[in-house]
Amino acid sequence: AQSVTQLDSQVPVFEEAPVELRCNYSSSVSVYLFWYVQYPNQGLQLLLKYLSGSTLVESINGFEAEFNKSQTSFHLRKPSVHISDTAEYFCAVSGGNDYKLSFGAGTTVTVRA
Amino acid sequence: DTGVSQNPRHKITKRGQNVTFRCDPISEHNRLYWYRQTLGQGPEFLTYFQNEAQLEKSRLLSDRFSAERPKGSFSTLEIQRTEQGDSAMYLCASSLFGQEDSPLHFGNGTRLTVT
Repeated sequence: AQSVTQLDSQVPVFEEAPVELRCNYSSSVSVYLFWYVQYPNQGLQLLLKYLSGSTLVESINGFEAEFNKSQTSFHLRKPSVHISDTAEYFCAVSGGNDYKLSFGAGTTVTVRA
Repeated sequence: DTGVSQNPRHKITKRGQNVTFRCDPISEHNRLYWYRQTLGQGPEFLTYFQNEAQLEKSRLLSDRFSAERPKGSFSTLEIQRTEQGDSAMYLCASSLFGQEDSPLHFGNGTRLTVT
């Protein structure tokens, strides 16, 4: 079984400042790692994923995450946030061939001007 | 790709009533998942299908819950004798099994309120 811990439940940040959302996972098998974003009253949208290969993965809107196997982490970063990045962010892990995801409790990012 | 569609978006029901939700996955996706999300929590896995076969059910899925995917396309989730604790957002997701990099695509969910 896999599990995810998101270490921060709320992250307030000023516009154009950097942000880091922390995610640690536990698993007895090789894993795939994901970050999803959820805007109010909407479903989850995939932000980025790590399956294999380069440990640094990037999204089209400036987010990046780095897979660190030794620290079992997959932290999400953005060097300069926008008001529109205000949302809830979920880290998720899957392992084995069922591909079902186990989610963390989420981190609410609030970007202020 | 029209995305995953869920209906209704909102459902308010009285305790003890039965409710049914529908999910239409992305057309070529053969896997379909149901999740439940309560306020302040991440989604919790309920069950999933590959084509019409229900392959796994979570212990969260009590006997009052039943899910079907009769023709391997759309799916329904029924809750019988609803309780206030069933109030949550119910999310459906689909993916294409066999493609390692096919992530789960989520619908916008059905928000259930049990009064």
